[in-house]
Amino acid sequence: AQSVTQPDIHITVSEGASLELRCNYSYGATPYLFWYVQSPGQGLQLLLKYFSGDTLVQGIKGFEAEFKRSQSSFNLRKPSVHWSDAAEYFCAVGSTGRRALTFGSGTRLQVQP
Amino acid sequence: DAGVIQSPRHEVTEMGQEVTLRCKPISGHDYLFWYRQTMMRGLELLIYFNNNVPIDDSGMPEDRFSAKMPNASFSTLKIQPSEPRDSAVYFCASSVTGYEQYFGPGTRLTVT
Repeated sequence: AQSVTQPDIHITVSEGASLELRCNYSYGATPYLFWYVQSPGQGLQLLLKYFSGDTLVQGIKGFEAEFKRSQSSFNLRKPSVHWSDAAEYFCAVGSTGRRALTFGSGTRLQVQP
Repeated sequence: DAGVIQSPRHEVTEMGQEVTLRCKPISGHDYLFWYRQTMMRGLELLIYFNNNVPIDDSGMPEDRFSAKMPNASFSTLKIQPSEPRDSAVYFCASSVTGYEQYFGPGTRLTVT
Protein backbone atom coordinates (compact mmCIF):
# COMPACT_ATOMS: atom_id res chain seq x y z
CA ALA A 1 0.00 0.00 0.00
CA GLN A 2 1.19 3.48 -0.73
CA SER A 3 1.56 6.18 1.89
CA VAL A 4 2.73 9.77 2.17
CA THR A 5 4.41 11.47 5.12
CA GLN A 6 4.70 15.19 5.57
CA PRO A 7 6.79 15.50 8.71
CA ASP A 8 6.17 19.20 9.27
CA ILE A 9 2.68 20.08 10.46
CA HIS A 10 3.31 23.81 10.62
CA ILE A 11 6.08 25.99 9.19
CA THR A 12 6.60 29.72 9.57
CA VAL A 13 8.89 31.67 7.25
CA SER A 14 9.55 35.33 6.69
CA GLU A 15 8.41 36.95 3.49
CA GLY A 16 11.23 36.81 0.97
CA ALA A 17 12.87 33.82 2.59
CA SER A 18 13.30 30.50 0.84
CA LEU A 19 10.98 27.58 1.53
CA GLU A 20 11.27 23.83 1.50
CA LEU A 21 8.38 21.55 2.43
CA ARG A 22 9.20 17.92 2.95
CA CYS A 23 7.38 14.93 1.55
CA ASN A 24 8.29 11.26 1.82
CA TYR A 25 6.36 8.51 0.13
CA SER A 26 6.18 4.78 0.34
CA TYR A 27 5.47 2.87 -2.84
CA GLY A 28 7.14 -0.13 -4.47
CA ALA A 29 7.25 1.05 -8.06
CA THR A 30 7.74 4.46 -9.64
CA PRO A 31 5.12 6.72 -8.16
CA TYR A 32 3.21 9.58 -9.64
CA LEU A 33 3.73 12.53 -7.29
CA PHE A 34 1.81 15.74 -6.81
CA TRP A 35 1.76 18.87 -4.72
CA TYR A 36 -1.49 20.69 -4.07
CA VAL A 37 -2.18 23.93 -2.23
CA GLN A 38 -5.33 24.73 -0.28
CA SER A 39 -6.20 28.23 0.84
CA PRO A 40 -8.70 28.59 3.71
CA GLY A 41 -12.20 27.66 2.63
CA GLN A 42 -11.05 26.72 -0.84
CA GLY A 43 -10.53 23.58 -2.83
CA LEU A 44 -7.18 22.08 -3.70
CA GLN A 45 -5.16 23.59 -6.52
CA LEU A 46 -2.57 21.53 -8.36
CA LEU A 47 0.87 23.13 -8.07
CA LEU A 48 2.96 20.57 -9.91
CA LYS A 49 3.29 16.93 -10.81
CA TYR A 50 5.92 14.30 -11.49
CA PHE A 51 5.28 11.31 -13.70
CA SER A 52 8.69 10.46 -15.13
CA GLY A 53 11.73 12.01 -16.75
CA ASP A 54 13.49 15.05 -15.36
CA THR A 55 13.50 14.79 -11.58
CA LEU A 56 13.24 18.54 -11.09
CA VAL A 57 9.79 19.75 -12.01
CA GLN A 58 8.51 23.27 -12.26
CA GLY A 59 5.05 24.31 -11.25
CA ILE A 60 2.84 27.32 -10.98
CA LYS A 61 3.42 30.32 -8.70
CA GLY A 62 7.21 29.86 -8.80
CA PHE A 63 7.25 26.49 -7.05
CA GLU A 64 9.45 23.56 -7.95
CA ALA A 65 9.93 20.07 -6.57
CA GLU A 66 12.64 17.47 -6.85
CA PHE A 67 12.04 13.73 -7.00
CA LYS A 68 14.74 11.74 -5.24
CA ARG A 69 14.17 8.04 -5.63
CA SER A 70 16.99 7.06 -3.26
CA GLN A 71 15.39 9.07 -0.47
CA SER A 72 11.77 8.40 -1.45
CA SER A 73 11.25 12.14 -1.31
CA PHE A 74 9.52 14.81 -3.32
CA ASN A 75 10.23 18.08 -1.55
CA LEU A 76 8.62 21.33 -2.59
CA ARG A 77 10.72 24.48 -2.84
CA LYS A 78 10.35 28.15 -3.55
CA PRO A 79 13.28 30.59 -3.54
CA SER A 80 11.37 33.60 -2.22
CA VAL A 81 8.07 33.31 -0.39
CA HIS A 82 5.28 35.86 -0.75
CA TRP A 83 2.62 36.60 1.85
CA SER A 84 0.02 35.15 -0.54
CA ASP A 85 1.73 31.75 -0.30
CA ALA A 86 0.31 31.27 3.20
CA ALA A 87 -1.88 28.18 2.89
CA GLU A 88 -1.87 24.45 3.50
CA TYR A 89 0.19 22.27 1.22
CA PHE A 90 -0.50 18.64 0.47
CA CYS A 91 1.75 16.07 -1.11
CA ALA A 92 0.02 13.18 -2.85
CA VAL A 93 1.03 9.95 -4.51
CA GLY A 94 -0.69 7.95 -7.21
CA SER A 95 0.15 4.64 -8.80
CA THR A 96 -0.18 2.93 -12.13
CA GLY A 97 -3.57 1.36 -12.44
CA ARG A 98 -5.29 2.75 -9.37
CA ARG A 99 -6.27 6.34 -10.04
CA ALA A 100 -7.00 7.37 -6.49
CA LEU A 101 -4.50 9.66 -4.83
CA THR A 102 -3.16 9.12 -1.33
CA PHE A 103 -2.59 12.40 0.44
CA GLY A 104 -0.24 13.39 3.20
CA SER A 105 -1.57 15.11 6.28
CA GLY A 106 -0.55 18.53 5.01
CA THR A 107 1.82 21.30 6.08
CA ARG A 108 0.41 24.64 7.09
CA LEU A 109 2.61 27.51 5.94
CA GLN A 110 2.53 30.81 7.74
CA VAL A 111 4.35 33.82 6.25
CA GLN A 112 5.61 36.56 8.53
CA PRO A 113 5.93 40.10 7.18
CA ASP B 1 -13.21 27.37 -18.81
CA ALA B 2 -15.33 26.42 -15.82
CA GLY B 3 -13.74 24.23 -13.22
CA VAL B 4 -15.41 21.55 -11.16
CA ILE B 5 -18.68 22.84 -9.76
CA GLN B 6 -20.09 21.65 -6.46
CA SER B 7 -23.34 22.46 -4.75
CA PRO B 8 -24.29 23.41 -2.19
CA ARG B 9 -21.18 25.06 -0.78
CA HIS B 10 -22.51 24.76 2.75
CA GLU B 11 -25.08 22.41 4.17
CA VAL B 12 -26.37 22.27 7.69
CA THR B 13 -28.75 19.49 8.55
CA GLU B 14 -30.08 17.60 11.50
CA MET B 15 -29.11 14.08 12.35
CA GLY B 16 -31.25 11.55 10.55
CA GLN B 17 -31.95 13.72 7.54
CA GLU B 18 -30.97 12.86 3.98
CA VAL B 19 -28.21 14.92 2.42
CA THR B 20 -27.40 15.12 -1.28
CA LEU B 21 -24.21 16.68 -2.56
CA ARG B 22 -23.81 17.50 -6.22
CA CYS B 23 -20.91 17.74 -8.60
CA LYS B 24 -20.43 18.81 -12.20
CA PRO B 25 -17.02 17.74 -13.53
CA ILE B 26 -14.96 19.58 -16.08
CA SER B 27 -16.22 18.84 -19.55
CA GLY B 28 -14.25 16.09 -21.24
CA HIS B 29 -12.96 14.59 -18.02
CA ASP B 30 -13.73 10.88 -17.86
CA TYR B 31 -12.80 10.38 -14.22
CA LEU B 32 -14.69 11.71 -11.24
CA PHE B 33 -13.65 11.37 -7.62
CA TRP B 34 -15.32 12.04 -4.29
CA TYR B 35 -13.05 12.81 -1.33
CA ARG B 36 -13.80 13.71 2.27
CA GLN B 37 -11.63 15.96 4.42
CA THR B 38 -11.70 15.94 8.21
CA MET B 39 -9.28 17.10 10.83
CA MET B 40 -8.88 13.60 12.20
CA ARG B 41 -8.50 11.64 8.99
CA GLY B 42 -7.31 14.22 6.50
CA LEU B 43 -8.21 13.76 2.86
CA GLU B 44 -9.54 10.35 1.99
CA LEU B 45 -11.03 8.90 -1.15
CA LEU B 46 -14.62 7.77 -0.95
CA ILE B 47 -15.30 6.57 -4.48
CA TYR B 48 -14.31 7.17 -8.06
CA PHE B 49 -15.93 6.71 -11.45
CA ASN B 50 -14.59 6.18 -14.92
CA ASN B 51 -16.94 6.89 -17.80
CA ASN B 52 -19.83 7.05 -15.31
CA VAL B 53 -19.08 3.59 -13.91
CA PRO B 54 -18.01 3.21 -10.26
CA ILE B 55 -14.53 1.71 -10.19
CA ASP B 56 -13.47 1.82 -6.56
CA ASP B 57 -15.89 2.41 -3.70
CA SER B 58 -13.74 0.89 -0.99
CA GLY B 59 -13.59 4.22 0.82
CA MET B 60 -17.32 4.59 1.24
CA PRO B 61 -17.79 4.45 5.02
CA GLU B 62 -20.95 2.37 5.18
CA ASP B 63 -24.27 1.70 3.58
CA ARG B 64 -25.55 5.11 4.55
CA PHE B 65 -23.39 6.55 1.79
CA SER B 66 -24.18 6.15 -1.89
CA ALA B 67 -22.91 7.81 -5.05
CA LYS B 68 -24.21 7.91 -8.56
CA MET B 69 -23.13 9.28 -11.88
CA PRO B 70 -26.11 9.18 -14.23
CA ASN B 71 -24.25 10.97 -17.01
CA ALA B 72 -20.87 12.46 -17.84
CA SER B 73 -21.72 15.87 -16.47
CA PHE B 74 -23.31 15.09 -13.12
CA SER B 75 -22.69 13.10 -9.98
CA THR B 76 -24.30 12.92 -6.57
CA LEU B 77 -23.17 11.76 -3.18
CA LYS B 78 -26.00 10.92 -0.83
CA ILE B 79 -25.96 10.30 2.89
CA GLN B 80 -29.07 8.75 4.40
CA PRO B 81 -29.50 8.97 7.32
CA SER B 82 -26.88 11.56 8.22
CA GLU B 83 -24.99 11.47 11.52
CA PRO B 84 -22.87 14.10 13.31
CA ARG B 85 -19.71 12.15 12.49
CA ASP B 86 -20.39 12.78 8.80
CA SER B 87 -19.59 16.45 9.32
CA ALA B 88 -16.69 17.21 6.97
CA VAL B 89 -15.76 18.96 3.76
CA TYR B 90 -16.61 16.85 0.74
CA PHE B 91 -14.64 17.44 -2.43
CA CYS B 92 -15.34 16.38 -5.95
CA ALA B 93 -12.46 16.15 -8.41
CA SER B 94 -12.27 15.28 -12.09
CA SER B 95 -9.52 14.19 -14.42
CA VAL B 96 -8.78 13.24 -17.99
CA THR B 97 -6.34 10.46 -17.17
CA GLY B 98 -7.29 9.80 -13.59
CA TYR B 99 -3.93 10.90 -12.26
CA GLU B 100 -3.88 14.70 -12.56
CA GLN B 101 -6.98 15.64 -10.63
CA TYR B 102 -8.74 18.99 -10.48
CA PHE B 103 -10.76 19.75 -7.38
CA GLY B 104 -13.94 21.63 -6.84
CA PRO B 105 -14.40 24.16 -4.03
CA GLY B 106 -15.96 21.58 -1.73
CA THR B 107 -19.17 21.29 0.27
CA ARG B 108 -18.90 21.92 3.99
CA LEU B 109 -21.42 19.62 5.68
CA THR B 110 -22.47 20.11 9.27
CA VAL B 111 -24.76 17.55 10.86
CA THR B 112 -26.22 18.61 14.20
